[in-house]
Amino acid sequence: DAMVIQNPRYQVTQFGKPVTLSCSQTLNHNVMYWYQQKSSQAPKLLFHYYDKDFNNEADTPDNFQSRRPNTSFCFLDIRSPGLGDAAMYLCATSRHQGQSYEQYFGPGTRLTVT
Amino acid sequence: KQEVTQIPAALSVPEGENLVLNCSFTDSAIYNLQWFRQDPGKGLTSLLLIQSSQREQTSGRLNASLDKSSGRSTLYIAASQPGDSATYLCAVRRRNYGQNFVFGPGTRLSVLP
Repeated sequence: DAMVIQNPRYQVTQFGKPVTLSCSQTLNHNVMYWYQQKSSQAPKLLFHYYDKDFNNEADTPDNFQSRRPNTSFCFLDIRSPGLGDAAMYLCATSRHQGQSYEQYFGPGTRLTVT
Repeated sequence: KQEVTQIPAALSVPEGENLVLNCSFTDSAIYNLQWFRQDPGKGLTSLLLIQSSQREQTSGRLNASLDKSSGRSTLYIAASQPGDSATYLCAVRRRNYGQNFVFGPGTRLSVLP
């Protein structure tokens, strides 16, 4: 089945230790998104790739960066995680088709910072 | 700035009841609105997508409506079941803001057997 896959599902890192979260998709969608969701809050868009074009949200901290080496994969890098970065990180994809842009989400990676 | 709110924040109903979840947004310049379901500790599952030119979409026991002029959408769930228990979120894609989606905080639904 076509899907959005995130690895790992659970990640524990130490304060200040760089961490990378992974997202892959078999949908062949040209847009990929990263969201941060803290407990009982709405998902907050960090950035997205439209094809190879990177689009950062204005209020995304510099500590968060992303790479998209090809259509299928997208990575979220947190350079120096703080305790406030503990959250669920959600990857999503969509296909530019007219104005549809229906989003498909992965299962998420739960990040714990110790 | 687009703000999305959802009322109520939590809802508990007995099995079999029909229910309505509400989503409100402040800026009517949207491309579409999408409803999602999220189970605890899991990702989001898409339920329904309504384009700005549409008034409603249906899938099984779910019906979503959109009134862009008043900035409102509703998700109607018929004959609720315990398996419907989850958090339901709405998200709007903003016109003229590229791929920017704004989510509401969700309504936590509990359907009691």
